[in-house]
Amino acid sequence: DAGVTQSPTHLIKTRGQQVTLRCSPISGHKSVSWYQQVLGQGPQFIFQYYEKEERGRGNFPDRFSARQFPNYSSELNVNALLLGDSALYLCASSFAGDSYNEQFFGPGTRLTVL
Amino acid sequence: AQSVSQHNHHVILSEAASLELGCNYSYGGTVNLFWYVQYPGQHLQLLLKYFSGDPLVKGIKGFEAEFIKSKFSFNLRKPSVQWSDTAEYFCAVNALSGTYKYIFGTGTRLKVLA
Repeated sequence: DAGVTQSPTHLIKTRGQQVTLRCSPISGHKSVSWYQQVLGQGPQFIFQYYEKEERGRGNFPDRFSARQFPNYSSELNVNALLLGDSALYLCASSFAGDSYNEQFFGPGTRLTVL
Repeated sequence: AQSVSQHNHHVILSEAASLELGCNYSYGGTVNLFWYVQYPGQHLQLLLKYFSGDPLVKGIKGFEAEFIKSKFSFNLRKPSVQWSDTAEYFCAVNALSGTYKYIFGTGTRLKVLA
């Protein structure tokens, strides 16, 4: 079975631009979470979606938004990019939205903002 | 605000040495606790988890962790490390407050010398 997939693998943008990152969960998983991992830090929780509804939000500005589609894939959008948005963006999927279900992580999208 | 502290940022051990990685969290309510591992070039994967019951939990590859509620700690241990345990280890907490928000520590880079 395929694991969590994310696209693109790498992305270079300039300040002020907008970016969309994509995630496909493991087949049968209905929950997707997004994390930002800055070099030298642990993953920071951005959003969780379950059954197309937002179930959790971390301490990120409104420039960050996400959605989940009927096929449970998800997109993370970041507007007005700042240098500090440079990071590895991780997607994790689980069968259900609670922490009793194991999260499976994707390889991440490396975003560089110049 | 919830937080997770991992006190050891870098650990270097020789093979067969014992390992203990510290993890403390700040949250007064009920939590689920996790240790994740990231081997070089691989995705984050779950090592072990604690939900309730026996505070000593066993995970994959001979790892175990002990939950001490009075100390808000969830330390990871392995009696005898192997070169293949070289990886980055992350402690994570999910407060059972309905927010589905996972908090990760900053990680510990373990290097095991053959």
